[in-house]
This record gives sequence, C-alpha cells and structure tokens, in this order.
Amino acid sequence: AQSVTQPDIHITVSEGASLELRCNYSYGATPYLFWYVQSPGQGLQLLLKYFSGDTLVQGIKGFEAEFKRSQSSFNLRKPSVHWSDAAEYFCAVGENTDKLIFGTGTRLQVFP
Amino acid sequence: KAGVTQTPRYLIKTRGQQVTLSCSPISGHRSVSWYQQTPGQGLQFLFEYFSETQRNKGNFPGRFSGRQFSNSRSEMNVSTLELGDSALYLCASSFTGELFFGEGSRLTVL
Repeated sequence: AQSVTQPDIHITVSEGASLELRCNYSYGATPYLFWYVQSPGQGLQLLLKYFSGDTLVQGIKGFEAEFKRSQSSFNLRKPSVHWSDAAEYFCAVGENTDKLIFGTGTRLQVFP
Repeated sequence: KAGVTQTPRYLIKTRGQQVTLSCSPISGHRSVSWYQQTPGQGLQFLFEYFSETQRNKGNFPGRFSGRQFSNSRSEMNVSTLELGDSALYLCASSFTGELFFGEGSRLTVL
C-alpha cells in the first residue's frame, strides 16, 4: 500500500542550528515527492518538490531535500533554522498532484 | 494574483445537519482538490475535480460529495453530519505540478 512515514512527531532545535526532517515512503513507482509547511491556522505552502532529475532539490526559505531511491527517503534539511521556521511540516507523495498522500507531519519548535 | 479562497472560514453545525463549503481557485487553474485535516487522521484526500468532472476520489462515505462549476469554482457538501466530521477542510487548486492551498474551512460539529 502507498504510504508516507514521518517518524518524528515533534522536533525542537535552537535557532541557528541545522535541521533535518525525515520522510520515508512506500510507493509502487518513483513518485512525485513534496514538502509542505503549515503555520497555525493557515493552509499549506509548498516548500519544494521532486519530479525527476537532480536528486538534491532546492526550495524556498533556504530549505533543500534529497531524494534517495535506495532508502525510499526524501529528507528535508536546512543549515540554519530561524525562529520563523516554527511550524508543522508535511511530506507528501503522489503519482502527480491530483491525489497526494500526506505523512502525519512533524511539528518544529525553535528555541532562541 | 489572488490565491485560493475558501468560504466560510469557520462554521458550527449540529449532528444531522448538512454543510456546503466553497472554494474559488486561482484564476486559470482548472483542477481543484479537497482534503480533510484532523488531529487523529491527518490530511486525507477527499476528491479532485477537473473541468467539472470528478477525476479522483478518496475513501470517504457517500455523505461527502462535491462538484465543480464551469468557472472552476468548487463546492463540497457533507450531509448528515457526525461529530467525527469536525475538521479543517482544505481546498487546493493546481495548473501543473504544484498544489496551491487555501486557508481552509474549519467545521465544528456539536
């Protein structure tokens, strides 16, 4: 069955520290992969996406993610976290954008 | 360019009632998707419409329905509301390769 796993429910980091949010997926073929961010009371904003090609993708707000086919992973990274990055982050997979399967999310807390 | 607009933003209903939620996509976007977000189940796909046709459907009971109009605006309807239908309902539109989400309609069922 198709699924997305975000193993970390809650992560706390200090401002300026590096960040890695994990995402593993189970899918029949190479899916489209996405990372979204949601601030409280808001909708979801796309951070980055992978369709094909270079496995290291750059997104907005200084985020990047690396697709590793052998590990079925698409981890999100940021070298230096800012207090404004505190939010919930969702990994999603799909055959296209018409029907996405989302992970359960990782809530990021940033301490000054 | 205006974003995805969802109305109403908040509403309270009682069990057994029905509700209709509206979504206006970004101009030029012909695909509209709906998702339900709850603390327990997370984000779950409801359905997707393209040019007034339902192309994809998630695993929700028949009480959940939707439609899309010729101007790409979409509505979803939930009949015979249950307590478990309390959720944030998110609409997203796409042109190609990216979903743009609205801020959602938060439904509380009492």
